[in-house]
Amino acid sequence: GAGVSQTPSNKVTEKGKYVELRCDPISGHTALYWYRQSLGQGPEFLIYFQGTGAADDSGLPNDRFFAVRPEGSVSTLKIQRTERGDSAVYLCASSPLGGGADPNYGYTFGSGTRLTVV
Amino acid sequence: EDQVTQSPEALRLQEGESSSLNCSYTVSGLRGLFWYRQDPGKGPEFLFTLYSAGEEKEKERLKATLTKKESFLHITAPKPEDSATYLCAVQANTDKLIFGTGTRLQVFP
Repeated sequence: GAGVSQTPSNKVTEKGKYVELRCDPISGHTALYWYRQSLGQGPEFLIYFQGTGAADDSGLPNDRFFAVRPEGSVSTLKIQRTERGDSAVYLCASSPLGGGADPNYGYTFGSGTRLTVV
Repeated sequence: EDQVTQSPEALRLQEGESSSLNCSYTVSGLRGLFWYRQDPGKGPEFLFTLYSAGEEKEKERLKATLTKKESFLHITAPKPEDSATYLCAVQANTDKLIFGTGTRLQVFP
């Protein structure tokens, strides 16, 4: 597609439930990133994939969070036993380059999934 | 610890009233400084990347500059459609971006 696609755009779930958030990067982009943005804050890094492997998962807050990218394109962020503090907008970004951004286009972000845990 | 601080938190301008947004950073080994624009309910939209002190980039009414400790986003004769949150981010010796909390700009006709 023309841009980074994230689904669903909104997700409301009950505390304790499991959720999956999907990211379709721009075709051919090898690098994929997940960020989390709370209200009034800047995006906060969660995890970075280069191809199929997680090159840096240092931003995942705890072991309830997990992400996969099995075929090197679509990625899924999985959150187990959701808590109210997990409520935020989850952003996905992609880049054609590994280890850095395209100097003319930077990292391309999707519109995000707004997760609300009630 | 790598850190990004943006000021002011919010800025209200009259249409045509030029101003500047500030991004101060402390980072070990800057690989790039990024400016993004974010509209409500949308993801960040790329504006500029700056790589070295003294570098400047322009796009329409926006001009970004970089020194060794800070970056400025200058807005010349802003229009209401320039209203958005402007985010600054740095990339250090890793592949992730470290974002500031943004400056919320409102331009009134």
